[in-house]
Amino acid sequence: GESVGLHLPTLSVQEGDNSIINCAYSNSASDYFIWYKQESGKGPQFIIDIRSNMDKRQGQRVTVLLNKTVKHLSLQIAATQPGDSAVYFCAENSAPILTGANNLFFGTGTRLTVIP
Amino acid sequence: KAGVTQTPRYLIKTRGQQVTLSCSPISGHRSVSWYQQTPGQGLQFLFEYFSETQRNKGNFPGRFSGRQFSNSRSEMNVSTLELGDSALYLCASSLKTGGYEQYFGPGTRLTVT
Repeated sequence: GESVGLHLPTLSVQEGDNSIINCAYSNSASDYFIWYKQESGKGPQFIIDIRSNMDKRQGQRVTVLLNKTVKHLSLQIAATQPGDSAVYFCAENSAPILTGANNLFFGTGTRLTVIP
Repeated sequence: KAGVTQTPRYLIKTRGQQVTLSCSPISGHRSVSWYQQTPGQGLQFLFEYFSETQRNKGNFPGRFSGRQFSNSRSEMNVSTLELGDSALYLCASSLKTGGYEQYFGPGTRLTVT
């Protein structure tokens, strides 16, 4: 049945510490994954992506790790800043090579709060 | 390069009415996807258009429809609005279809009374 409201997992970290946000996915056919950041009143902002032929990818202050064996994805943010406070979503694109489409399935999100 | 733009940003409609939302993708992007975001269901895929053709459709009733124009701009339409259609409607554009980076617009906040 429908839920009244999604209960977002929350993560609070001290400014300057590293943050790790986790995501589990269920479709073993998923081939492409994206992390998004969404601030209040804004649309999701692309952070970093990774394809299933990789297990790690690094960006500026961010690293995404993919463990296909246990269908787990994580986003690591180094030296977390107050501006990193937001809701973070992982999204999977199921078998885009087969479907030829861009439909993303989003997780429920994690609310990151950075304590100054 | 300008980002994805959506108009209008806010909209209030009455049950039973219909509404049309507009999305202009990033210049050069040919794929436009639409998503609905609600507190209860989170972010859900509505449909994707690429080269004026619907590529894929999510699990939404036929009241939700869309189209894409030759300049890649897209519109989505919701007919016979219901209270449950109140949501943030997000548009995302991508260079190509088939698993590529999608960039989102700010969304249109639709309230149905």
